[in-house]
Amino acid sequence: SAVISQKPSRDICQRGTSLTIQCQVDSQVTMMFWYRQQPGQSLTLIATANQGSEATYESGFVIDKFPISRPNLTFSTLTVSNMSPEDSSIYLCSVEEGRGMDEKLFFGSGTQLSVL
Amino acid sequence: ELKVEQNPLFLSMQEGKNYTIYCNYSTTSDRLYWYRQDPGKSLESLFVLLSNGAVKQEGRLMASLDTKARLSTLHITAAVHDLSATYFCAVLRGYGNKLVFGAGTILRVKS
Repeated sequence: SAVISQKPSRDICQRGTSLTIQCQVDSQVTMMFWYRQQPGQSLTLIATANQGSEATYESGFVIDKFPISRPNLTFSTLTVSNMSPEDSSIYLCSVEEGRGMDEKLFFGSGTQLSVL
Repeated sequence: ELKVEQNPLFLSMQEGKNYTIYCNYSTTSDRLYWYRQDPGKSLESLFVLLSNGAVKQEGRLMASLDTKARLSTLHITAAVHDLSATYFCAVLRGYGNKLVFGAGTILRVKS
C-alpha cells in the first residue's frame, strides 16, 4: 500500500495566522484528497487535488480559506488560512491506490491542529 | 445527496461477546469501505465491498454488503480488548470518486 507522510503531525497556532500542511506519497498518484475531522466527529472532504489543475472544493469550503497546491504526482499541500479556534481539527490527506476491484483509499497519519 | 448513517454510535461490549454495527446509505453506490481509527491515529483500511452479497472476513471482523437494502454490516465475533477503536463506514459518492463517511461507532471492549 502507498506510504503517505504528513507534516507537521501536530501544531498549536495563534488565531489569525496560517499553517501549511504537507503530504508526500511514495508513489505517483492521480488524485489526492484532503479531509477534515473535527473533534469527536467524522471525516468531511475538503477538496480533491489533481496534478496540473485547480483543486475542486466541496460545498462549504473555499479556496481563499484552504488553498491547495499539487505541484507533482507525489506531493500536495493544504494551507489553513487566517485561522480561528473553529479550525481546530485533524486534517488528513488521502490517496487512491489500485484499480477496479482492488482500488482502495489510504490515509496519511494526519495533522492535529489546535488554534488558540 | 448521499447520506450515510451508522448505528450504534457507541458500543460497550464484554470480551467474548458478539455484536454488529450497521451502516445505511441513502443512494446507490458502487463501493463501501470500513475503516478503523485508534485514538490520535489515522484511519486503517479494513474492508472494501464492491457488490451485492459481498462478504469479507479478517480475524474477528466480518463485513457484508446488501446493495438492494443499501446496508452494510460489520460483525464482531468474540470481541477482545484490542478491537477497541472507532469504526467508520464510508460510501463512494456516485460522481467524482469521493467518500462520504458515517459518524463512526466508538467500540469499547471490557474485560
